[in-house]
Amino acid sequence: QVRLQESGPGLVKPSETLSLTCSVSSGSITNYCWSWFRQSPGKGLEWIAYIYDSGSTHYNPSLRSRLSISIDTSKNEFSLRMTSLSSADTAIYYCARGHSDFQDTSGWDIWFAPWGQGTLVTVSS
Amino acid sequence: SLELTQTPSVSVSPGQTARITCSGELLSRKYAYWYQQKSGQAPVLLIYKDSERPSGIPDRFSGSSSGTTVTLTVSGVQAEDEAEYYCQSVDSSGTILFGGGTKLTVL
Repeated sequence: QVRLQESGPGLVKPSETLSLTCSVSSGSITNYCWSWFRQSPGKGLEWIAYIYDSGSTHYNPSLRSRLSISIDTSKNEFSLRMTSLSSADTAIYYCARGHSDFQDTSGWDIWFAPWGQGTLVTVSS
Repeated sequence: SLELTQTPSVSVSPGQTARITCSGELLSRKYAYWYQQKSGQAPVLLIYKDSERPSGIPDRFSGSSSGTTVTLTVSGVQAEDEAEYYCQSVDSSGTILFGGGTKLTVL
């Protein structure tokens, strides 16, 4: 059964750049899309970005200018880079595997399973 | 803007049926997905494409859709079902949207 594990710095200073990696084990990274989410303390889920194994990407419009998502199929991992961090970016960051399906009448459908356990990122000086 | 709206909280006694709704104009033309998130844990997919249940999800969880509203039904609620439940959909540009979440409390 595929497993996902996030890794990252834990603590980042304001204005600095966050780099997170999601390692995929017990399954191939090909033929799916791969996504990042976050959850601020006491808040709901927020989607950040996803990437297909082809390299095609899609970003949350509200965060797009600060984001870069990439994938390394040879290492079975994908990564997120977020610039200009502030305290508002303090959150648990999750990675997940996306399942996608295209319908002529309604376009793309995407849903996510499984998810990694999440990694807490605190932005503080 | 496209939004998904959920009732913030639902409370039921054990053995009763809980119904959690998610509404939004987007849902009249796009599928909804449901996730369960227990305290301190990662989300788990419960329902996909409005009413399909992944393997391993108990059949007391079911989903339905009518117009601009989708409903997650938990039949015979158990104490272990106490959690936050989120609906999700995808707009025409591929942007992922979540509802604000519903806290299910088992009395």
